[in-house]
Amino acid sequence: AQSVTQLDSQVPVFEEAPVELRCNYSSSVSVYLFWYVQYPNQGLQLLLKYLSGSTLVESINGFEAEFNKSQTSFHLRKPSVHISDTAEYFCAVSAASYDKVIFGPGTSLSVIP
Amino acid sequence: DTGVSQDPRHKITKRGQNVTFRCDPISEHNRLYWYRQTLGQGPEFLTYFQNEAQLEKSRLLSDRFSAERPKGSFSTLEIQRTEQGDSAMYLCASSRRDSSSGNTIYFGEGSWLTVV
Repeated sequence: AQSVTQLDSQVPVFEEAPVELRCNYSSSVSVYLFWYVQYPNQGLQLLLKYLSGSTLVESINGFEAEFNKSQTSFHLRKPSVHISDTAEYFCAVSAASYDKVIFGPGTSLSVIP
Repeated sequence: DTGVSQDPRHKITKRGQNVTFRCDPISEHNRLYWYRQTLGQGPEFLTYFQNEAQLEKSRLLSDRFSAERPKGSFSTLEIQRTEQGDSAMYLCASSRRDSSSGNTIYFGEGSWLTVV
């Protein structure tokens, strides 16, 4: 079975500073990896995903994540955050055999003006 | 292309009553998932379907919870004899099981349940 760890429950960061949200997963098989974002009182939106190929994946709003198989990690980074990035961020994993998707506990990103 | 829709968006019920939530997935998606989310937590897997077949149900899920997807399209999640601990947001998601999309799931806005 797969599992996800997000060690940082809350990450405060000043506007225009860089940020990294950490995600580690556990799996004995090949995986698909995802980051979702949840703004207050809204559902979850897909931010980016790794299915195969290049280990560095990017979103349209400047986030990127790198799949590191040896370290079983999929950390999310952004070089310069904006106030509008304040949200909950969830890392998720699925076995590449199309198993169910399992989510981590989330990281609350607060961008400080 | 319409997204995943859930109904109702908010439900307040008295303890002991039954409640039912409906989910309409994205039309070409053959997989449908139910999750539960409480404040400050990540989505907790409840169950999922491929077409009309229920593939897995969480072992943490009480027998008071039942889900159906009778014709492989919309799904319902029923909670019988609700308890205050059932108060949460119930999220529905759908996906298309193929190599191009992997297992990417798309969520609805969720249905908030408050048991008083």
